Amino acid sequence: AQSVTQPDIHITVSEGASLELRCNYSYGATPYLFWYVQSPGQGLQLLLKYFSGDTLVQGIKGFEAEFKRSQSSFNLRKPSVHWSDAAEYFCAVGLNYGGSQGNLIFGKGTKLSVKP
Amino acid sequence: NAGVTQTPKFQVLKTGQSMTLQCAQDMNHEYMSWYRQDPGMGLRLIHYSVGAGITDQGEVPNGYNVSRSTTEDFPLRLLSAAPSQTSVYFCASSVDSYEQYFGPGTRLTVT
Repeated sequence: AQSVTQPDIHITVSEGASLELRCNYSYGATPYLFWYVQSPGQGLQLLLKYFSGDTLVQGIKGFEAEFKRSQSSFNLRKPSVHWSDAAEYFCAVGLNYGGSQGNLIFGKGTKLSVKP
Repeated sequence: NAGVTQTPKFQVLKTGQSMTLQCAQDMNHEYMSWYRQDPGMGLRLIHYSVGAGITDQGEVPNGYNVSRSTTEDFPLRLLSAAPSQTSVYFCASSVDSYEQYFGPGTRLTVT
């Protein structure tokens, strides 16, 4: 069955430090991959997406993610974290077959705290 | 354009009561979906619709009903609320590109 694993429940980084959030997926076909961010009390906002092509994708707010098929990973990175990046981050796989086309399978999320 | 709107923002129900969570979008998206979010569980798909008149079950459909009579609206009905349905509910919509736009959520407590 399809699944998404985010191994880190909570990460704390210092403001200005680099960030990498891990995401591994299990999916039989070529995946559509997404990262969403959720600020406290808010809905989810799409940060970036991968469908095909260049395996390094750029998103909003200075985030990027790299698709590595051999490792079944889609890790999210940012070179310098800002205090406003404190939020919860969700990785998701988009199902792209049959009647389930468009459905998303989410990981359980990684909460990011930023130290001043 | 308002995007995806959800009402109410907060709701408290007693066990056994029924209610409808409203979701509307003004982007003319064919695909709409409902998720629930529970601590440590991420988001789980309840029901989805690929167009007016077409709905299907997701991962956790029990206790919930949906219908889609128009492209714009996709209400979620709880027929007999249970404490296990205490959660935050998100509605989302998209075109075929899987890029789903989420509403602000409804926080539901069932006592």
